[in-house]
Amino acid sequence: TQLLEQSPQFLSIQEGENLTVYCNSSSVFSSLQWYRQEPGEGPVLLVTVVTGGEVKKLKRLTFQFGDARKDSSLHITAAQPGDTGLYLCAGAASGGSNYKLTFGKGTLLTVNP
Amino acid sequence: SAVISQKPSRDICQRGTSLTIQCQVDSQVTMMFWYRQQPGQSLTLIATANQGSEATYESGFVIDKFPISRPNLTFSTLTVSNMSPEDSSIYLCSVGNLDTDTQYFGPGTRLTVL
Repeated sequence: TQLLEQSPQFLSIQEGENLTVYCNSSSVFSSLQWYRQEPGEGPVLLVTVVTGGEVKKLKRLTFQFGDARKDSSLHITAAQPGDTGLYLCAGAASGGSNYKLTFGKGTLLTVNP
Repeated sequence: SAVISQKPSRDICQRGTSLTIQCQVDSQVTMMFWYRQQPGQSLTLIATANQGSEATYESGFVIDKFPISRPNLTFSTLTVSNMSPEDSSIYLCSVGNLDTDTQYFGPGTRLTVL
């Protein structure tokens, strides 16, 4: 069974601060996805990273996939209240059932104005 | 990405009853999945809904409790049978994209069992 350790579990910061969320595993993933979920809604895909060492930027969000494809990070610069939500990382199994995702426990981010 | 809708969006049910949740996609998709998200928790995969054959269940989930139908490539249902308060959760369907190795989620069904 592949496990994804996500940290921190809770994060409360002030508007304008920077933050980083981490996802770590002892297993190799063929790809890793980051989602954001707001209350009462389903998770919304932010990004998929596929290549070891890959860095993707989405406005103030920077996503990195580790060289060994076992870990990933999400960095938010100058956080805004609109960034508040549950951030989930999810890894796709390496080989075989690529569409079977393993989810981290999530990071509940609150950005205070 | 596909547009996914779920019905109902929420329901409050009595213990011992059953609820069927529908998932509709605006395009044909090969892979459809059902997840459970308990309060304050992450997502747990219940099963993969296979078109034309029985669903593939994950450890801890059985067909008698969570029967699934997948009559075509755009529609699936999940039934939560003989409900108890422990079944109170958000139930989500998702679809897999063959080209990009990603999954897209529906808005979820919030179930409360009294």
